Order: sequence, then structure tokens, then C-alpha cells
Amino acid sequence: SQQGEEDPQALSIQEGENATMNCSYKTSINNLQWYRQNSGRGLVHLILIRSNEREKHSGRLRVTLDTSKKSSSLLITASRAADTASYFCATDNSWGKLQFGAGTQVVVTP
Amino acid sequence: DADVTQTPRNRITKTGKRIMLECSQTKGHDRMYWYRQDPGLGLRLIYYSFDVKDINKGEISDGYSVSRQAQAKFSLSLESAIPNQTALYFCATSDPRGGNQPQHFGDGTRLSIL
Repeated sequence: SQQGEEDPQALSIQEGENATMNCSYKTSINNLQWYRQNSGRGLVHLILIRSNEREKHSGRLRVTLDTSKKSSSLLITASRAADTASYFCATDNSWGKLQFGAGTQVVVTP
Repeated sequence: DADVTQTPRNRITKTGKRIMLECSQTKGHDRMYWYRQDPGLGLRLIYYSFDVKDINKGEISDGYSVSRQAQAKFSLSLESAIPNQTALYFCATSDPRGGNQPQHFGDGTRLSIL
């Protein structure tokens, strides 16, 4: 069973626009992580937000966490063609064991 | 992540064959994981190991076995491959020191079972 569910499943935007994707989960968590996967490659960790944090930034990335709604969002600002990838949320509710969602496929066109 | 190396990168084999996928890491991490990725389903955990003497089943361990030969090596075996084990397989590592550490992934093995 999957803990996280991303929405939307796919997103197509133009360079310079912002991309927002959401993740909902079912049980309590220790932290929530976002990963990026480029085609044919492994997942790359983007950002980790702990259960007692509400917002976190890293470069053009902004992550929010609402534990009362069991949801998180990932915002990519001023998107670039290189941001084209699949993005996954993963919840850590058992100290190091992650449960992944099905991902959001993002296409950024020049 | 070049610090986590998976071999082979691609493998095509026949139903009933025994297959071993290998993972080695130079990150010095104690924790290692095997996942499979199917289209539309994200990653699912097959087995994980928190140190050399520790092996644990994940969400979908049936039909798979693992061996942790050393801190740096964690191999996944399919004893008798079947077509629905066709998938993309990933190895990952993490460092438990300091708590809440992210995982580092290899580039995957694409396995096709005919």
C-alpha cells in the first residue's frame, strides 16, 4: 500500500512559470521527503521537512507541511526546462523506512 | 548518485531463471534498501538492512531474497523469476547518524522477464 498520493499525476508548464504539486498521506509521520527522478535515472533527494516544521525552502523549492490535514506541497518557482522530471513525496513514519507516492510528472517547455 | 552503483543496468531473462542484482556503495552508510518501481505505482520496498547483521522484509518481499555481504554490498536475488517481476529495481542507502537522513539512490536495474 502507498502512504503518499501526489496530485496532479501530470503537469505541463512553460519556462518561468511556477509548478505546484501536492501530497496527501494517511498516517502520522516523522518526516516527509521530496525526491526528483529524471528519465532513466535514480531518485535524487530534494528536501526533507520534519513533522514539527511547517515550511522549508531550498533554492527555488518551497515545501509546506500541514500535519492536521496530512498533506504537503512542493512549489518550484521560475521553472526551467531542466526541472522536467517526476517528483515523488515519501513519508518516513518508521525511522528510515520510506513509503513513496506514485509521483507527479512535470514537463517544462521552453 | 555515482556513490551507489547497481549492476547490471539492464537485464533480460526468461521465466524460471535465478537472477542476482548487485548494489555497492562508497558512502559508508550502514542502511541499505531495495525497491522496485512499476509504472503508476511509485517505489515499493522489497527488503532493507540497517547493518550487516540485520535483514528485514519490506512491503513486497515474496519471491525475493537478499544478502548483505558487507557494509558496502547488498544483493537482491529472484530465485525463480516470473514475468510480473519485470520492473525497475533501485538500491538506496542512508546514514542513520543524526536522525532523519535522506536516502541516496543508484541509477537502477531495468529487469525484463520473458
